[in-house]
Amino acid sequence: DTEVTQTPKHLVMGMTNKKSLKCEQHMGHRAMYWYKQKAKKPPELMFVYSYEKLSINESVPSRFSPECPNSSLLNLHLHALQPEDSALYLCASSQGFDGELFFGEGSRLTVL
Amino acid sequence: GENVEQHPSTLSVQEGDSAVIKCTYSDSASNYFPWYKQELGKRPQLIIDIRSNVGEKKDQRIAVTLNKTAKHFSLHITETQPEDSAVYFCAASPMDSSYKLIFGSGTRLLVRP
Repeated sequence: DTEVTQTPKHLVMGMTNKKSLKCEQHMGHRAMYWYKQKAKKPPELMFVYSYEKLSINESVPSRFSPECPNSSLLNLHLHALQPEDSALYLCASSQGFDGELFFGEGSRLTVL
Repeated sequence: GENVEQHPSTLSVQEGDSAVIKCTYSDSASNYFPWYKQELGKRPQLIIDIRSNVGEKKDQRIAVTLNKTAKHFSLHITETQPEDSAVYFCAASPMDSSYKLIFGSGTRLLVRP
């Protein structure tokens, strides 16, 4: 299985809602990532987990809260988001720190 | 920190022609340079990568060259086909930031049939 699976594919939420994005991989990869991608822009790194520990937080606002329950799962909890947070949220995984990133299809988030 | 610049932002070629996309990086300690292809509405996927101990790497119609002295690397696609139409992102991995890829701004490639 060489897939990274993300749910949901689409999410619409109000600024007062609480929701979560989920990501799963079964490739035995030890690093998992959250990226944010705006239209016509490159992916922008948000968080990196290495061996289930948060190793990089790119100064992301606290309304985004990552969680890594185990080596296969990665969540992104969303609370009190702003309309400018609307974007495609991509999860990725990799075996090592400088190898191929395997991306999921993304969760397209719209904040009203 | 590392900065990656990518040119051109858009590229239109006739089917069968070659396409070249160029990137420059700022951190001389960067040692890993992947290229990702992202089709419309799809996930980015690695198409080729090169490490700093190699000057050139080829995979069928795709090749990447790296000039460490000048701090630039290029993607070459020969005999382009309509299915090559996509956005291509270069990236560099700084030595001081494990797990962190710095992406270029992307090149939208259109292959005209």
